[in-house]
Amino acid sequence: NAGVTQTPKFQVLKTGQSMTLQCAQDMNHNSMYWYRQDPGMGLRLIYYSASEGTTDKGEVPNGYNVSRLNKREFSLRLESAAPSQTSVYFCASSERGGLTYNSPLHFGNGTRLTVT
Amino acid sequence: GQQLNQSPQSMFIQEGEDVSMNCTSSSIFNTWLWYKQDPGEGPVLLIALYKAGELTSNGRLTAQFGITRKDSFLNISASIPSDVGIYFCAGQLRRPQGGSEKLVFGKGMKLTVNP
Repeated sequence: NAGVTQTPKFQVLKTGQSMTLQCAQDMNHNSMYWYRQDPGMGLRLIYYSASEGTTDKGEVPNGYNVSRLNKREFSLRLESAAPSQTSVYFCASSERGGLTYNSPLHFGNGTRLTVT
Repeated sequence: GQQLNQSPQSMFIQEGEDVSMNCTSSSIFNTWLWYKQDPGEGPVLLIALYKAGELTSNGRLTAQFGITRKDSFLNISASIPSDVGIYFCAGQLRRPQGGSEKLVFGKGMKLTVNP
């Protein structure tokens, strides 16, 4: 019962470094999402993939890129990390783009990223 | 973009007390969802509401979808220590011309329960 698995759990980067956050789900879900969580800001959508082969920008996409590698995997890349990208990043998936009770968002446990 | 105003931002209560929190918006939502986040983990769905006026319970939790479709509340009765965490409301907007539906999250309410 892995659900949504995110790696790494913690990461420290220097300004300008790049890295990729990995996310995989084993629930055969069609839609996947990347959120960032900052104190007092709630969860904000960075990018999402409604289905394999498609990606779309969310609320705060600047400074990020994504890849829907296959149905299971959705990665988030920071090409040149900035201190403003210090945050907790959550990957989520849902059976489809619709978010009904029978197709809720399932979240991973997050990646805690610090950019110095 | 759309904004959800969630209040209060935090609460400190004694075990056994009831808790009430709400979310309001100037936008109309098709769905209201309530999530709970335990420390170090991702949010977990508690209750989903789909119709204006709908009142739904899940154990000690009760939530309602406001008649105007612009607000929702969540009540927790007889709180216990494991209720500690951050509670988020989320409203679902349907994109124009079809396509994926996305959630807008409130900023969260941090609940502390003193045993």
